[in-house]
Order: sequence, then structure tokens, then C-alpha cells
Amino acid sequence: GQNIDQPTEMTATEGAIVQINCTYQTSGFNGLFWYQQHAGEAPTFLSYNVLDGLEEKGRFSSFLSRSKGYSYLLLKELQMKDSASYLCAVRDRDYKLSFGAGTTVTVR
Amino acid sequence: GAVVSQHPSWVICKSGTSVKIECRSLDFQATTMFWYRQFPKQSLMLMATSNEGSKATYEQGVEKDKFLINHASLTLSTLTVTSAHPEDSSFYICSARDLSGGGGQPQHFGDGTRLSIL
Repeated sequence: GQNIDQPTEMTATEGAIVQINCTYQTSGFNGLFWYQQHAGEAPTFLSYNVLDGLEEKGRFSSFLSRSKGYSYLLLKELQMKDSASYLCAVRDRDYKLSFGAGTTVTVR
Repeated sequence: GAVVSQHPSWVICKSGTSVKIECRSLDFQATTMFWYRQFPKQSLMLMATSNEGSKATYEQGVEKDKFLINHASLTLSTLTVTSAHPEDSSFYICSARDLSGGGGQPQHFGDGTRLSIL
């Protein structure tokens, strides 16, 4: 199975940068995903990493180090609408996702 | 992009009722769909993997006779919560993987069904 850890909460001001870390222990790594989830809604896909390095997508970037079992999601130029829960999810070789508990980001 | 439709979005019913939730992939075919449950302030927990034309695969601790899954076509999976009780109240979310999509073929989620059993 997977053991996925991420911080519970983070707070930042509008226009700032926030980095959400995720560490994982896995049996059969097949990719790491970040999802955004607003309260009461379903998660929406943000980014995907399967090789080491940084993937950039507009204001959002995600980094992966497979040897360290570590990823982060970087949110730049924060906007009020970015207030949400951010979920780190690891995929196994059966294409099943295991989710972390989520990091609630509050933008003030 | 890939769209997954889930219906109904909200159900309130009496204890003992069976409730059916539908999950449809609207613009792609999905041989595999996934059903999750999410309790307040907790993360998504995978309940089962729905396979088109064959039996679903349930995660440990999930009762297959309680949560019936039928994946009758390449665009539709249904989850039936049989004889629901208050402890079954939760947010149920389905997802499907678009095999034709790039970027790691992520799972795309439906809007979820909020189930409240009185």
C-alpha cells in the first residue's frame, strides 16, 4: 500500500507563493498526481509527475524526487479562488490512486 | 477535456432504503471506473474498482454485498448502497481514467453524490 503525508493547513496572502510538500512510501510507484478540491465538490486534476524533476503549468508547478519519495506543489501569484484543499495522490501499478489527507490552503 | 457525470448529486432517504448512484463518462470510454467515499474533513478512500464486463474488485473492509457495483457498458457504472443506514451517510465520488488522454491519463472525477440517511 501507500503511506502519504502532507501538511494539514497552510495560510498565505494574495499574490504570495506557497509550497505544499508531500512524502510517500509506496509498493509499486506508477505516478504522482495533485488534485484541487473545493469544499463539497469533487477533485479536479492539477498535475502529474512520473519522472524526477519539475513540471510547470501556468501558476502551478509540481516537483518529484522518486529516490526521496517526495513531491511538492508550488502555487504562485496566489488568488482568493485558490483557497481549497490540495490532495497528493500516488498511483500504483494497478492504476489505483491512494490519496493523502489533503492540505487546506487559505488565501487572505 | 474528459467529463464524468455523476447522478444524483444529493440523496436524503430513510434507513433501510437502497440507493443507486450512476457514473457516466460523457466523451470517452472507460473500461475501468473507481468508486470512492469521503467523510467530512477526510481524504478520499477507494472503495472498489469497477471493471466493464466483469466483477468489481473491492478494497479490504468494503462489503461487496452492501455496495453493489455494475459496470454494464464502457460509459456507465452504477453503485447501489443496499439497505442504507445512517453510518453509510457520506460523500460518494466516482472517477474514470481516460486512456486516450495524455499527461499520465489521470482519473477524472464526477461531481459526487452526498448521501444522507435519516
